[in-house]
Amino acid sequence: DGGITQSPKYLFRKEGQNVTLSCEQNLNHDAMYWYRQDPGQGLRLIYYSQIVNDFQKGDIAEGYSVSREKKESFPLTVTSAQKNPTAFYLCASETGGTDTQYFGPGTRLTVL
Amino acid sequence: QKEVEQDPGPLSVPEGAIVSLNCTYSNSAFQYFMWYRQYSRKGPELLMYTYSSGNKEDGRFTAQVDKSSKYISLFIRDSQPSDSATYLCAMSVGGANSKLTFGKGITLSVRP
Repeated sequence: DGGITQSPKYLFRKEGQNVTLSCEQNLNHDAMYWYRQDPGQGLRLIYYSQIVNDFQKGDIAEGYSVSREKKESFPLTVTSAQKNPTAFYLCASETGGTDTQYFGPGTRLTVL
Repeated sequence: QKEVEQDPGPLSVPEGAIVSLNCTYSNSAFQYFMWYRQYSRKGPELLMYTYSSGNKEDGRFTAQVDKSSKYISLFIRDSQPSDSATYLCAMSVGGANSKLTFGKGITLSVRP
């Protein structure tokens, strides 16, 4: 079964803690993306990676970090520097050259 | 002016109605256009994908692109309660390092 998995589905974090969200895909896609979704604001791009060991900042990268050591994996770390981290986080991957992105089920992060 | 504007909604229609969802955009370089459907607390799923101007039909769904007016539409015929979801338009320029630009989404409710 090909697809994108994100874990955990729900995550609670205390203020001041870093937390890492997992994203794995077995679609053999080169490009992967992280978005943040807040009510009424649509999807905002945090980071993206077109190829292994390379990634670029999106529109709202401050307070986040990523790595891309394997083609299948693109974890996102929400650091304590992120001022308002409570949101729904979506990971996506894309088959090359089509701009067609496929999304995972999302992780809902709540900061207590 | 935002790059992509989408009717804010929400929209409520009776079962069987024809639904029209619309987005306007300002960047004339956009040439790939997509509609995503997102059920509550789930990741978006790709519904329709079109390149350049014209119509594309898939079952009860028709996507329409008018590049001269910078306007795209999604029509849903014989709407069903299972169509109740948030619909996001997305578009891109294409090419290397191209990224998707999303509308904010409109929530549709189909009443039985």
